[in-house]
Amino acid sequence: DAGVIQSPRHEVTEMGQEVTLRCKPISGHNSLFWYRQTMMRGLELLIYFNNNVPIDDSGMPEDRFSAKMPNASFSTLKIQPSEPRDSAVYFCASSGSGGELEQYFGPGTRLTVT
Amino acid sequence: GENVEQHPSTLSVQEGDSAVIKCTYSDSASNYFPWYKQELGKGPQLIIDIRSNVGEKKDQRIAVTLNKTAKHFSLHITETQPEDSAVYFCAAGTYKYIFGTGTRLKVLA
Repeated sequence: DAGVIQSPRHEVTEMGQEVTLRCKPISGHNSLFWYRQTMMRGLELLIYFNNNVPIDDSGMPEDRFSAKMPNASFSTLKIQPSEPRDSAVYFCASSGSGGELEQYFGPGTRLTVT
Repeated sequence: GENVEQHPSTLSVQEGDSAVIKCTYSDSASNYFPWYKQELGKGPQLIIDIRSNVGEKKDQRIAVTLNKTAKHFSLHITETQPEDSAVYFCAAGTYKYIFGTGTRLKVLA
């Protein structure tokens, strides 16, 4: 399997612009997680989907952030409008069904907002 | 809120020596405790995990121990090698985790 795929790997944008991060989970996995990693706050869970349905979005920092999962093989995390404090590495992870708890991470998207 | 504390934040060992990283958690409902290794510019990689019905698990040079009563769990790496140098994260939870703050391990050749 190719593992979790994320794009783009790097994104540089100006404050106020819309940013869309993309994720393809491992085939057959039915849970998907979006995380943000910063030096100050470490690894934070933003949102969790199960069977394409958002289950827990309590980690989404504010209304500027939104996430969708239109089908089992694709998810997006959108920031609109972006701010410099959104600069971080964003990771997507997926886990399987049947009670499997192991999460497998993608390579991440490094976002820089200037 | 729930949290996971991880110590030490940095650890330097000589090649061949052992390394131990310790974590404590606060949520009693946690029943799954994975450990991740993160190399520079890469995503966290799952290296070993343990569930609450097990006290110890070993995989070659890596072992994890869990004390549910004390809410402690630890990662032990024996016979360390330079390629073990990375940042290691513990986590605790169920279907979702809370991560520790990470330990930067440096193995000196």
